[in-house]
Amino acid sequence: QQQVKQSPQSLIVQKGGISIINCAYENTAFDYFPWYQQFPGKGPALLIAIRPDVSEKKEGRFTISFNKSAKQFSLHIMDSQPGDSATYFCAASLGNNRKLIWGLGTSLAVNP
Amino acid sequence: DADVTQTPRNRITKTGKRIMLECSQTKGHDRMYWYRQDPGLGLRLIYYSFDVKDINKGEISDGYSVSRQAQAKFSLSLESAIPNQTALYFCATSDSSSETQYFGPGTRLLVL
Repeated sequence: QQQVKQSPQSLIVQKGGISIINCAYENTAFDYFPWYQQFPGKGPALLIAIRPDVSEKKEGRFTISFNKSAKQFSLHIMDSQPGDSATYFCAASLGNNRKLIWGLGTSLAVNP
Repeated sequence: DADVTQTPRNRITKTGKRIMLECSQTKGHDRMYWYRQDPGLGLRLIYYSFDVKDINKGEISDGYSVSRQAQAKFSLSLESAIPNQTALYFCATSDSSSETQYFGPGTRLLVL
């Protein structure tokens, strides 16, 4: 079963708008929650990550919001740009193993 | 120069053929991973290795085998390729002290 559920599957946003992608997890032992960004023809690359001891982390236009009680975390892209058009994956991991459990991805298109 | 390289970048093969996909890294990382990516199915882990003498099955290892020839090299083999192994394959690396995974550019495989 899918331990990390990601939505929506695809998203279209106008330039300058806010893109929001959500993920929900089941295992409360997860202790690391990254978001990866993948451009066409490239491998995924780490965008931003958060640990459950904070509720929000911001890096430039990208923000992770984390709700431990709801077992949910989300990626917000402010002032979305056409260059943000990519596939975004959320993931989670725990402990020394550090093996990532991946969401299924969200294809984001930002219209000019 | 890329830190994680994959060869070949594209490969067309026929059902029943044995093929090998190769991954090399110059990051000095001890952990290496093989994933396959299919539309709508996200990234699925095939095999992973935490050091040269450690090989572990992922969620979809059937039909695949791996070899960790050195810390820097991790190969994926399809002993007898079948059409449903047509996919985009990614190698990734990480350091044992960090959760961040660094991906190669991918190998696009078509099995006819």
